[in-house]
Amino acid sequence: KNQVEQSPQSLIILEGKNCTLQCNYTVSPFSNLRWYKQDTGRGPVSLTIMTFSENTKSNGRYTATLDADTKQSSLHITASQLSDSASYICVVSAWIKLIFGAGTRLAVHP
Amino acid sequence: NAGVTQTPKFRVLKTGQSMTLLCAQDMNHEYMYWYRQDPGMGLRLIHYSVGEGTTAKGEVPDGYNVSRLKKQNFLLGLESAAPSQTSVYFCASISGVTGASYEQYFGPGTRLTVT
Repeated sequence: KNQVEQSPQSLIILEGKNCTLQCNYTVSPFSNLRWYKQDTGRGPVSLTIMTFSENTKSNGRYTATLDADTKQSSLHITASQLSDSASYICVVSAWIKLIFGAGTRLAVHP
Repeated sequence: NAGVTQTPKFRVLKTGQSMTLLCAQDMNHEYMYWYRQDPGMGLRLIHYSVGEGTTAKGEVPDGYNVSRLKKQNFLLGLESAAPSQTSVYFCASISGVTGASYEQYFGPGTRLTVT
């Protein structure tokens, strides 16, 4: 069964600190892996997309890594800001279907 | 370019009532999707469409019907609403599937409550 699992479920950090979110998946066939940011009450917005051959991709203070052998990905947030408070969702594409993780809810406190 | 829009934004229904959610995209995307999002769970695929006039069932299709009469619109219908359908509904579209990387765009969501 195709599954995407994220950890931790929730995380609280202080402004300016770094954090890393984890994603493990069992999805076949694998097309790509993406990380989304979802603010409360809004639709998800794409942060990064990585194909099988890519093992890292950055978008400003967000850096995603992918290990296709172990089927793990991480999202690293550097120098967190209050506006980073949101849910971060890992999504793995199996051709035209996308399998969503439950998300990690991040709260950045001043 | 408005991207993906959804109407309505909020709706309260009584059990047994029917309604239609409208999704519209102006990016000429072939593929469109309806998801529902419940607390503590990932987005779950209800139905999807790979082109005008085509629809297919997703992970949780029961109680919903869809239509894609025009390429830019994807309608989600609830024939007889149940409290279990209380959720936030998101529509999304994808530019294409050629190659291994494609961008998916989401609408702002419709919050539906069934009492």
